[in-house]
Amino acid sequence: QPVLTQPPSMSGAPGQRVVISCTGTSSNIGSVYDVHWYQHLPGTAPKLLISGNVNRPLGVPDRFSASKSDASASLAITGLQAEDEGDYYCQSFDRSLGGWVFGGGTKLTVL
Amino acid sequence: EVQLVQSGAEVKKPGESLTISCKASDFGFTNYWIGWVRQMPGRGLEWMGLIFLGDSETRYSPSFQGQVTISADKSTATAYLQWTGLKVSDTAMYFCARPRHISGALDSWGQGTQVTVSS
Repeated sequence: QPVLTQPPSMSGAPGQRVVISCTGTSSNIGSVYDVHWYQHLPGTAPKLLISGNVNRPLGVPDRFSASKSDASASLAITGLQAEDEGDYYCQSFDRSLGGWVFGGGTKLTVL
Repeated sequence: EVQLVQSGAEVKKPGESLTISCKASDFGFTNYWIGWVRQMPGRGLEWMGLIFLGDSETRYSPSFQGQVTISADKSTATAYLQWTGLKVSDTAMYFCARPRHISGALDSWGQGTQVTVSS
């Protein structure tokens, strides 16, 4: 059972906006630890989309944005494009485990 | 950007041993953590464990404690993931990843090593 909770799937039409949620606990997201988001396309390594709750690495389009509040976080994708189809994961650090925790992943389908 | 290069795909039989590797491009600097992440077929990413290359301090997810061994050779900036008795259920893609600090974003990933265990 993943430590962080994400919806298993979401979908949207091209051009639409989707928001993927990620819920944790006081041992991880609800503590001092940041949330990071990754895009994982089949046959590739996961790609960092958002670091430190809200920061986009160089090269990530500004269609991707994120926020964090208390023990929850969300990733918003605006202007959906066919190339956005894939799996999205949130990730943080857990004080009790002393290591990383991931969400179960959200499969995004662009209709 | 640091490159992480993993060893190639493996096909093994149940009960066999296996070690896969993850080599960082910036050897000479070893004050960082490398972690291993499993993705079973059709499933999500799971954290397995972490190792600090500088002194080999190791942390395991409770789900993987006692199932695998993580080690490192700081002279070659290489981390290893080892099994001594593979099971069919170990069939998965395994990624290594590196944050700038232990709770930081995983901004470097290896390309993945596919491990297939089948009789």
